[in-house]
Amino acid sequence: SQTIHQWPATLVQPVGSPLSLECTVEGTSNPNLYWYRQAAGRGLQLLFYSVGIGQISSEVPQNLSASRPQDRQFILSSKKLLLSDSGFYLCAWSAPGRGGTDTQYFGPGTRLTVL
Amino acid sequence: EDQVTQSPEALRLQEGESSSLNCSYTVSGLRGLFWYRQDPGKGPEFLFTLYSAGEEKEKERLKATLTKKESFLHITAPKPEDSATYLCAVQARGSGSNYKLTFGKGTLLTVNP
Repeated sequence: SQTIHQWPATLVQPVGSPLSLECTVEGTSNPNLYWYRQAAGRGLQLLFYSVGIGQISSEVPQNLSASRPQDRQFILSSKKLLLSDSGFYLCAWSAPGRGGTDTQYFGPGTRLTVL
Repeated sequence: EDQVTQSPEALRLQEGESSSLNCSYTVSGLRGLFWYRQDPGKGPEFLFTLYSAGEEKEKERLKATLTKKESFLHITAPKPEDSATYLCAVQARGSGSNYKLTFGKGTLLTVNP
């Protein structure tokens, strides 16, 4: 069966500091991978998605970037965090191909607080 | 622009009191509608995918239905462990939209014993 991991689970960072969140998926090959942010009182917002190694699409212009250095690894980064970057960050995966129509399965999330 | 509106924002039920959650959507061609359950501090857990009007799916005490403009999540004889936030999301047809899920803000369900 497939398993998705995220770390760290919780992170408190000062404004202006860098960020690196990691997501890995087990039990599948060449998954589609996604980064979402969930802010208080708002719905989940898609930030980035990837259909393969080195292939990243951005949905929302922002202070963040994503990379996929390996087939089942997805990293969310920032060079300088803003207060507005605080939120609950979720990684998700779906089966490869089929235009992304398969169900997306979410990881446990990372709670980021920027002070 | 795709939009999803969930109602009510919060719902309190007594154990055994059946009810329904609503998800109204506006999308330029529906590819799929998804229901998730989210417990506090955790990632959403997949419940159902619906693809076309008239489709229904069931899992234990939950039943999801779909029309051309909305979806309902019916909860029959709920138990306290059904307490959670229920999220609805849509996926639209069309180039550039294939991977994007547009989520509603969710309905917070509390079931009292």
